[in-house]
Amino acid sequence: NAGVTQTPKFRVLKTGQSMTLLCAQDMNHEYMYWYRQDPGMGLRLIHYSVGEGTTAKGEVPDGYNVSRLKKQNFLLGLESAAPSQTSVYFCASSPYVVNTEAFFGQGTRLTVV
Amino acid sequence: AQSVTQLGSHVSVSEGALVLLRCNYSSSVPPYLFWYVQYPNQGLQLLLKYTSAATLVKGINGFEAEFKKSETSFHLTKPSAHMSDAAEYFCAVRGNTDKLIFGTGTRLQVFP
Repeated sequence: NAGVTQTPKFRVLKTGQSMTLLCAQDMNHEYMYWYRQDPGMGLRLIHYSVGEGTTAKGEVPDGYNVSRLKKQNFLLGLESAAPSQTSVYFCASSPYVVNTEAFFGQGTRLTVV
Repeated sequence: AQSVTQLGSHVSVSEGALVLLRCNYSSSVPPYLFWYVQYPNQGLQLLLKYTSAATLVKGINGFEAEFKKSETSFHLTKPSAHMSDAAEYFCAVRGNTDKLIFGTGTRLQVFP
C-alpha cells in the first residue's frame, strides 16, 4: 500500500525556472493538501482541494498554482521559481470526514539558486 | 479562523524524565486536534487525535494528551522519555473549515 507518494524527492532549480511537483494518493481520499516546511515556521498550508476539480488557497498561496484534474493526483506548480521558495514541500490527503487525520508523503526538498 | 500556538520551539529532557509539549488552540467551533511526530528526513505521522469522544487521548509510543476546553489547550505528555522520542512534534487543528492548520513545531531532545 503506497499511501501518499511525492515526485520528485529532490530538485534544484535556477531562479526563474518552472516546475511541477506531483502528489499521488491511492486511498480514495477526497481532501488533498500542499504544505511547505521552513525552519522555525512549522508547516504552512499553500493550497488545498476538497475534491476532484476543486482547489482553494491556503495561508501562503502566492507564487504557486495547483490543479486536481483527477481525484488521486494533486499537482503543485511554480511558474517562476524564486530563492524564497527554497523549502521542503509536503503533500497530504484525508477522507471527507473532519475528525480524521491527514496522511503525509515523504516530502520534496526544493532548492532554488 | 483556527490556529495553534506551540510554546517552546525546543525542549530538552533527560532519558526517563517527563515529557511535556504545549499546544494552545484557537477555534470558533469545537475543534478537532491532532499531534504529529516527524523524525529526521521523514514525513509526518500521527501520534494521536482528539475528536470529542474523550478528553484524555492515548496515542502511540506511550504518548497522551488532554483536551482542556477552559484552557484551550491540548498538551502532549509522556511519563518517561526514551532516546528514540527525539524528533519534532507538531500540533494541528481543524475547526469549521476544510483547512488543517499546524503549529510551528517543538523539537524534543533527549539526553542520556
